[in-house]
Amino acid sequence: NAGVTQTPKFQVLKTGQSMTLQCAQDMNHEYMSWYRQDPGMGLRLIHYSVGAGITDQGEVPNGYNVSRSTTEDFPLRLLSAAPSQTSVYFCASSLKSPQGEAYGYTFGSGTRLTVV
Amino acid sequence: GQQVMQIPQYQHVQEGEDFTTYCNSSTTLSNIQWYKQRPGGHPVFLIQLVKSGEVKKQKRLTFQFGEAKKNSSLHITATQTTDVGTYFCAGHDSGTYKYIFGTGTRLKVLA
Repeated sequence: NAGVTQTPKFQVLKTGQSMTLQCAQDMNHEYMSWYRQDPGMGLRLIHYSVGAGITDQGEVPNGYNVSRSTTEDFPLRLLSAAPSQTSVYFCASSLKSPQGEAYGYTFGSGTRLTVV
Repeated sequence: GQQVMQIPQYQHVQEGEDFTTYCNSSTTLSNIQWYKQRPGGHPVFLIQLVKSGEVKKQKRLTFQFGEAKKNSSLHITATQTTDVGTYFCAGHDSGTYKYIFGTGTRLKVLA
């Protein structure tokens, strides 16, 4: 099992460029989420999904789009990069319990994004 | 919206001392999860608490979920240098599946 795989690991963008951060999991997890972590800060939820075809906004969704066409993949799109989006981005996935809760999330190793 | 605060923000302890971090939510939580993030790494899931007043132990770590399901704590007995990192709690209120992370407590252990 590869777990949660994020690509790329590092990226530098110019202001106004767009790009897609890739996230794939091979554990058949229903729940997937994207978080951003700024230096010395906690994790803030960008978007999340409770299953294929279902996505919802988190705490800081502006400037980002997601889609979940398959259980395995949950890409995050930056529409027009801004310096304020410089951060480390983590993708995470979790099984869903019979009660609909998420079990503990498994995190990818992150994508370090710099917008200049 | 839901907010999850942790105190303290930072804690330096001598190796062998105990350590506690507290997690407080503005809303009642369905469950609470705890994670550890080593410097430069990604968060790693430690444990989940579901029931009001629940207490769970993992070796030197003791986790508690408050009776009102709005707060939680993590206590480490006799810290070791391997305990260094940032500890996060995370939870969601009933009716949503947004897992919101706490602000984190960064632990430094001095040998």
